[in-house]
Amino acid sequence: QKEVEQDPGPLSVPEGAIVSLNCTYSNSAFQYFMWYRQYSRKGPELLMYTYSSGNKEDGRFTAQVDKSSKYISLFIRDSQPSDSATYLCAGTGTASKLTFGTGTRLQVTL
Amino acid sequence: NAGVMQNPRHLVRRRGQEARLRCSPMKGHSHVYWYRQLPEEGLKFMVYLQKENIIDESGMPKERFSAEFPKEGPSILRIQQVVRGDSAAYFCASSFGRGTYEQYFGPGTRLTVT
Repeated sequence: QKEVEQDPGPLSVPEGAIVSLNCTYSNSAFQYFMWYRQYSRKGPELLMYTYSSGNKEDGRFTAQVDKSSKYISLFIRDSQPSDSATYLCAGTGTASKLTFGTGTRLQVTL
Repeated sequence: NAGVMQNPRHLVRRRGQEARLRCSPMKGHSHVYWYRQLPEEGLKFMVYLQKENIIDESGMPKERFSAEFPKEGPSILRIQQVVRGDSAAYFCASSFGRGTYEQYFGPGTRLTVT
């Protein structure tokens, strides 16, 4: 079993929709969780990070962590075509290595 | 732009040659991480370094791979005697210091072994 599981998609939504991206993890030591966005053939770009359980909001993005169910979510409001990318979730417990999911490919259509 | 810099962006090597990948961290960052991304797979941690120290190399293959982050200059990931299976995108990330969790990634080096 992978430590971080993520549906690879692709997930296709119309412009303006609310997008929900999800991950599950198995390592109870994870305390910090990150979401990265990766455009094709580019480096991952840090979108948000959260500590332990709870919500964090930044503009159109909301990150949610539920440690009791080991579930991580990223919500994107008012999705735009420029949001089309692969979204990677990651967890860590030690401020060193990040453990990533395989990524979910999102396509926002006009 | 004081982002993480990696070079070369593309590198082609024949089987048996050496590959050297370089990474300069963001300004003010003293911690460097290397990850490998194979097609259709997620990013896999390889090694975590501070200046002149390897902190965690638990993801590094035992043979042919080495990494360093000297007192002066960029971090180097070296792959000796490359094989076709080494073809991948190699990403470097940096962070401010120990206890900070945000890692910022460079654009990657795409290694192709022919």
